[in-house]
Amino acid sequence: DTAVSQTPKYLVTQMGNDKSIKCEQNLGHDTMYWYKQDSKKFLKIMFSYNNKELIINETVPNRFSPKSPDKAHLNLHINSLELGDSAVYFCASSQSWGGTDTQYFGPGTRLTVL
Amino acid sequence: AQSVAQPEDQVNVAEGNPLTVKCTYSVSGNPYLFWYVQYPNRGLQFLLKYITGDNLVKGSYGFEAEFNKSQTSFHLKKPSALVSDSALYFCAVRGRGGDYKLSFGAGTTVTVRA
Repeated sequence: DTAVSQTPKYLVTQMGNDKSIKCEQNLGHDTMYWYKQDSKKFLKIMFSYNNKELIINETVPNRFSPKSPDKAHLNLHINSLELGDSAVYFCASSQSWGGTDTQYFGPGTRLTVL
Repeated sequence: AQSVAQPEDQVNVAEGNPLTVKCTYSVSGNPYLFWYVQYPNRGLQFLLKYITGDNLVKGSYGFEAEFNKSQTSFHLKKPSALVSDSALYFCAVRGRGGDYKLSFGAGTTVTVRA
């Protein structure tokens, strides 16, 4: 009965490769997010979708492309991976885009680029 | 722009002693404030939030936080810490002016010694 799930949990790949991370939530939420946590544990939002519409697109290299096939899924595709992309990527969801809504996080995907 | 400061990178306490994790914020207007906890190799878990009303908010696992508007603070507290409370704690703020991005502090590592 996992609320927000991500696959894979670990991803090790070579520079220049293309990879995807998948996220699914079974909470019936309308809004989903991608966050990046760097090696110093700092968390920064990358993207947010509300009802499959992109509403937050932070200053992220265009090698990163989110895709939301439906409200329950938000995937992250990364082209031409670079060493600096190594991080933990968290997916999250909330009931709506409203400011009071709590965001619930997935377990994270640890990406290591060699 | 909104921001959160967690002035202590680390907090060390003995089991059974009170635990306080400090957080100050900067935002236009009244804030929505959140506390999350991250255990090693896990995602973020929601602890509590302040939206409006009573300045003392009670949350999960015996934690509470006090909103202080004049000091722009939202410190997390627990009267009697447990070894199992050892984790990384994040404070986050969200403005009410339509920019609903959640901005996180840098995190405070709490170590509770037996």
